[in-house]
Amino acid sequence: TQLLEQSPQFLSIQEGENLTVYCNSSSVFSSLQWYRQEPGEGPVLLVTVVTGGEVKKLKRLTFQFGDARKDSSLHITAAQPGDTGLYLCAGVRPPRALNFGKGTSLLVTP
Amino acid sequence: KAGVTQTPRYLIKTRGQQVTLSCSPISGHRSVSWYQQTPGQGLQFLFEYFSETQRNKGNFPGRFSGRQFSNSRSEMNVSTLELGDSALYLCASRVGGSLSSYNEQFFGPGTRLTVL
Repeated sequence: TQLLEQSPQFLSIQEGENLTVYCNSSSVFSSLQWYRQEPGEGPVLLVTVVTGGEVKKLKRLTFQFGDARKDSSLHITAAQPGDTGLYLCAGVRPPRALNFGKGTSLLVTP
Repeated sequence: KAGVTQTPRYLIKTRGQQVTLSCSPISGHRSVSWYQQTPGQGLQFLFEYFSETQRNKGNFPGRFSGRQFSNSRSEMNVSTLELGDSALYLCASRVGGSLSSYNEQFFGPGTRLTVL
């Protein structure tokens, strides 16, 4: 059973468009992480959100943690081809290991 | 600082064989976790080792095993390979410490295993 559901599964957009990726769960997490994975590489941590309602910005990427700490979103403004990749969310519930969503595959075309 | 390295990068095996994958963590990192990534199931946790002891285990059959050496390097072994074991196997290392605080985890590039 997948604890974290990500949507959409696939997203193909043009350069300059905005997009939002969602990560939802019925479980509460102590924190939530977002990763980006490029072909042939392992996932790379983008951000960790810890407090319910927290918003973090990383250049054109905005991450939000839901008030109840069960869901999160990633918004990308003015997407660029370099944003192409697999975006993964992962919930932290110590002492258990990270629970990953299946990911959102993003393709940004020039 | 060198990143997490995994060897080999690609591997082709046949059903029934066994395989050993290797992971060298970032220097100073004492925790190594292993994950299986497939298109259908996504990234799934296999196990975590810290100071040569397995301290967390995912929901995989006993054919999947691992170990960690005193230098923190880790190996995972899959015996009696099945077609469904074809996947990208990722290793991640972190400094370690208490399970209640998740330090940043750094992933290696993975080993792509194909079972024919």
